[in-house]
Amino acid sequence: GNSVTQMQGQVTLSEEEFLFINCTYSTTGYPTLFWYVQYPGEGPQLLLKVTTANNKGSSRGFEATYDKGTTSFHLQKASVQESDSAVYYCVLDPDTNKVVFGTGTRLQVLP
Amino acid sequence: AQTIHQWPVAEIKAVGSPLSLGCTIKGKSSPNLYWYWQATGGTLQQLFYSITVGQVESVVQLNLSASRPKDDQFILSTEKLLLSHSGFYLCAWSLVTNTEVFFGKGTRLTVV
Repeated sequence: GNSVTQMQGQVTLSEEEFLFINCTYSTTGYPTLFWYVQYPGEGPQLLLKVTTANNKGSSRGFEATYDKGTTSFHLQKASVQESDSAVYYCVLDPDTNKVVFGTGTRLQVLP
Repeated sequence: AQTIHQWPVAEIKAVGSPLSLGCTIKGKSSPNLYWYWQATGGTLQQLFYSITVGQVESVVQLNLSASRPKDDQFILSTEKLLLSHSGFYLCAWSLVTNTEVFFGKGTRLTVV
């Protein structure tokens, strides 16, 4: 079946530190992969999207690369800010209308 | 501009009572519609999706049902609430698959 694994439940960093959130996926075919961010009390919102065609996505200083060989889709940011504190979800869309969210990684950025 | 409106914002309901949550999308014709559920501190679980009026597909069984009576309206309901139904319910839409999903502000349900 389709699945997404985020092993890091919580990440705590200081401002200007490097962010790396691990995500691996399992599916057949060529899915579209997303990172969504959720702030407290709100619904998730799209951070970036990557398809097999473009392999890499970036937005607001965040980057993710789609690696079919290792089935990974890690999220990175060179220098985090306190305003980046939120929950980040790796999301798999296997083109079936049944979207799969990872368990989420709570990022806390200390001033 | 497209807007998504969910109601109510929050509900406190008794175990065994009925529930109806609603969602309206304006400014977009024939969107795909979705219901998601999020337990407190948990991840998002897709419950239902609909690609057209009158057709709803179930993704997980949680003793809930969904209907799409109009192109722009999606309803989530049950006749008997369980304690395990507590959580955050999110309605969402997208144009087609593999595209961005836009979420509403959600309904926080507490079953007591």
